[in-house]
Amino acid sequence: QVQLVQSGSELKRPGASVKVSCKTSGYTFNVYSINWLRQAPGQGLEWMGWINANTGNPTYAQGFAGRFVFSLDSSVSTAYLQISSLEAEDTAVYYCARDAATIRFDYWGQGALVIVSS
Amino acid sequence: QSVLTQPPSVSAAPGQRVTISCSGSSSDIGNNYVSWYQQLPGTAPKLLIYDNNKRPSGIPDRFSGSKSGTSATLDITGLQTGDEADYYCGTWDSSLSAGVFGGGTKLTVL
Repeated sequence: QVQLVQSGSELKRPGASVKVSCKTSGYTFNVYSINWLRQAPGQGLEWMGWINANTGNPTYAQGFAGRFVFSLDSSVSTAYLQISSLEAEDTAVYYCARDAATIRFDYWGQGALVIVSS
Repeated sequence: QSVLTQPPSVSAAPGQRVTISCSGSSSDIGNNYVSWYQQLPGTAPKLLIYDNNKRPSGIPDRFSGSKSGTSATLDITGLQTGDEADYYCGTWDSSLSAGVFGGGTKLTVL
């Protein structure tokens, strides 16, 4: 069965970096893109962008270019989200999701909570 | 502020029907497929409806979707207490070249 399993919660200081992993299984990794979404506490879903799992080419939504980096390790069917220069406003649950078609997210990771606090 | 507009909350009694609206524009809903997601408390979102009105395997036919012009609707019939959740509509915005979502609608089953 298809599974996306994300890394655990993180508590980071402002200015630090964090790398969230999304390990996939149960399907051919390079056939579906991986999208990343953010959900701030008590807020709705925000699309951050996606990475082409075949080419590794990332696309970032407005506001997520620069400090946010999507990457892959196809050898272990895993996608990564790295956030640098963390700010308190980055505190959120970060989800990876498999994209079966444009914005058709048929499988989701369980979410990774990133807390940025001094 | 979300690109798509949803009511913040809806409520109905068990067994009743509820409708959740999602309003957009020609650059998003008007020219792209709409998906709906259910997010139970403390869990990841789950795909309920895709391509405006299709259900993934395992989603009961109590859930249905439709689209007309620049608006989409999620209908839930035979409400159950287990349906209490946040519901999100999402689509592609061709002008922004970005995925966009509604702000979410909290469903309370009284």
